[in-house]
Amino acid sequence: DAKTTQPNSMESNEEEPVHLPCNHSTISGTDYIHWYRQLPSQGPEYVIHGLTSNVNNRMASLAIAEDRKSSTLILHRATLRDAAVYYCIIKNAGNMLTFGGGTRLMVKP
Amino acid sequence: DGGITQSPKYLFRKEGQNVTLSCEQNLNHDAMYWYRQDPGQGLRLIYYSQIVNDFQKGDIAEGYSVSREKKESFPLTVTSAQKNPTAFYLCASQPSRAADYNSPLHFGNGTRLTVT
Repeated sequence: DAKTTQPNSMESNEEEPVHLPCNHSTISGTDYIHWYRQLPSQGPEYVIHGLTSNVNNRMASLAIAEDRKSSTLILHRATLRDAAVYYCIIKNAGNMLTFGGGTRLMVKP
Repeated sequence: DGGITQSPKYLFRKEGQNVTLSCEQNLNHDAMYWYRQDPGQGLRLIYYSQIVNDFQKGDIAEGYSVSREKKESFPLTVTSAQKNPTAFYLCASQPSRAADYNSPLHFGNGTRLTVT
């Protein structure tokens, strides 16, 4: 299974964009990139997923590098409610979702 | 509104006692999962079930047991054989793992178990 590398923590100012990076250099052609986030004392919630093309939804955007070895989750305007741990996960038909340490995002007012 | 309900939110037990954590979903999902989370760590898979009356061990199944007698329910028993049971336990469901492995997991809000 492909491994992911994320920074342990990041800081952002409220109402500014946030770019959360993820490296997955061993990703294979049929692996999807999933992002979840976990607010304090809650279960994780799905954010977005993609294969090759950039993806947008109401929560965030996912930018995938051309070689697919890295991706970036973009929150366009961070709010205090976006403070959470963000998990980047590589998913294929054969594996389960594996949640590593993730990136703890802190948002300053 | 559909969702996953885990109860209770906090649970305290004495060492040596078995304890059962409840997980109920009304999303009509086939697949259900149990994860364990320790402080500051990611989630680790304990057990999963893709269909009623069937379940498989995850990465850390030792000391745990499950049942799946009904589609909507997937209780987890933490037995006295689990050496370090104090943790945050999360239940999740998915429409059908086989049909669409990319469909999002829906999580409950967890049960925090403390064993002393």
